[in-house]
Amino acid sequence: GEDVEQSLFLSVREGDSSVINCTYTDSSSTYLYWYKQEPGAGLQLLTYIFSNMDMKQDQRLTVLLNKKDKHLSLRIADTQTGDSAIYFCAERNSGYSTLTFGKGTMLLVSP
Amino acid sequence: DGGITQSPKYLFRKEGQNVTLSCEQNLNHDAMYWYRQDPGQGLRLIYYSQIVNDFQKGDIAEGYSVSREKKESFPLTVTSAQKNPTAFYLCASRRGDAAYEQYFGPGTRLTVT
Repeated sequence: GEDVEQSLFLSVREGDSSVINCTYTDSSSTYLYWYKQEPGAGLQLLTYIFSNMDMKQDQRLTVLLNKKDKHLSLRIADTQTGDSAIYFCAERNSGYSTLTFGKGTMLLVSP
Repeated sequence: DGGITQSPKYLFRKEGQNVTLSCEQNLNHDAMYWYRQDPGQGLRLIYYSQIVNDFQKGDIAEGYSVSREKKESFPLTVTSAQKNPTAFYLCASRRGDAAYEQYFGPGTRLTVT
């Protein structure tokens, strides 16, 4: 079955760049997503990338997709304390209308 | 103001009681989803519905039930058969376009003692 793996924790200083990594197993995934969750809240969709793209940029966010290695990354430029949250990677399950989520990466931004 | 609402934010129940969690959306989305979130476990799919009067089991449906009588509403009942019901429950809905983005409600934290 599908599986999505993420590192559990990342700590950076304010103003630095953050890179959160994700690997997935379903080679036929068509869409991959990044969500952000603040404490006690629901998930907020940050961005998504279609599998025929290598890169997508949206303001401070850059998503890179390496289909050969089934590796997805989210880069946050000029990281702020307000970016501290849990970040989830998800893939759309081929042939289904469901998503498989990773376990989330907790990003801690220190001043 | 369009969105997904879940109520209540916090819910407390005694063991052995059934409890129903509410999820309403006014986004005109066809598909709706229920997830359970436990610390360190990520999100696990309980049930989903792609259209009114139809729903499918997710990965952890045992001990849960749902209904989809209206497009806007997808209530989840946590029954007494669910062995570990204490968790954070998230409802989501999905647009009908090809990108399949899901949009989430604020969640309900259920505590069963």
